[in-house]
Amino acid sequence: DAKTTQPPSMDCAEGRAANLPCNHSTISGNEYVYWYRQIHSQGPQYIIHGLKNNETNEMASLIITEDRKSSTLILPHATLRDTAVYYCIVRVQNDYKLSFGAGTTVTVRA
Amino acid sequence: GAVVSQHPSWVICKSGTSVKIECRSLDFQATTMFWYRQFPKQSLMLMATSNEGSKATYEQGVEKDKFLINHASLTLSTLTVTSAHPEDSSFYICSAQTPGHQHNEQFFGPGTRLTVL
Repeated sequence: DAKTTQPPSMDCAEGRAANLPCNHSTISGNEYVYWYRQIHSQGPQYIIHGLKNNETNEMASLIITEDRKSSTLILPHATLRDTAVYYCIVRVQNDYKLSFGAGTTVTVRA
Repeated sequence: GAVVSQHPSWVICKSGTSVKIECRSLDFQATTMFWYRQFPKQSLMLMATSNEGSKATYEQGVEKDKFLINHASLTLSTLTVTSAHPEDSSFYICSAQTPGHQHNEQFFGPGTRLTVL
């Protein structure tokens, strides 16, 4: 019972922006959108999260559509070290459970 | 940011032996720690949630007598895989959380790769 849908894989060029889509059409009003990534053979790393406003931090930007049914994670200048599996997760902020789907395998190519 | 460590980073053991994996929060006190398992080319699956000083809560299908979890302090949780078998070979990852700390985020350890021969 997946709550998010992501493309299984995508390639992007080093130095270019990487735009990672996520569909969450059944998101509830109190659910946030979280993004994590997992570099091969490492633990997941938190990237960013948001409720309805766009968010930006030192790693990425998160654009959430007005109806909140989809979002896009933007890596502004992808590097080879950004090659990883990126997970989009929706959850209530106080809910500890993180349900990891299949994610998007992003390969950054030189 | 918050740092979570795991030890060992990898372990190889014989079938039938027990293996203990440690998870430590290095720069914050974690009231809750989580244990995940990840098989090759699959996503992370939550195994159990442990709160400091109380018994762990296991997810459906996870044998609590096989995967013993202890969370005796606010900075340490251990997972013991008892009588390990080859099908227990996996990547075990812990995470730590404290309510109110950095948006209730979970901070993940680097993982422990277990291979059972």
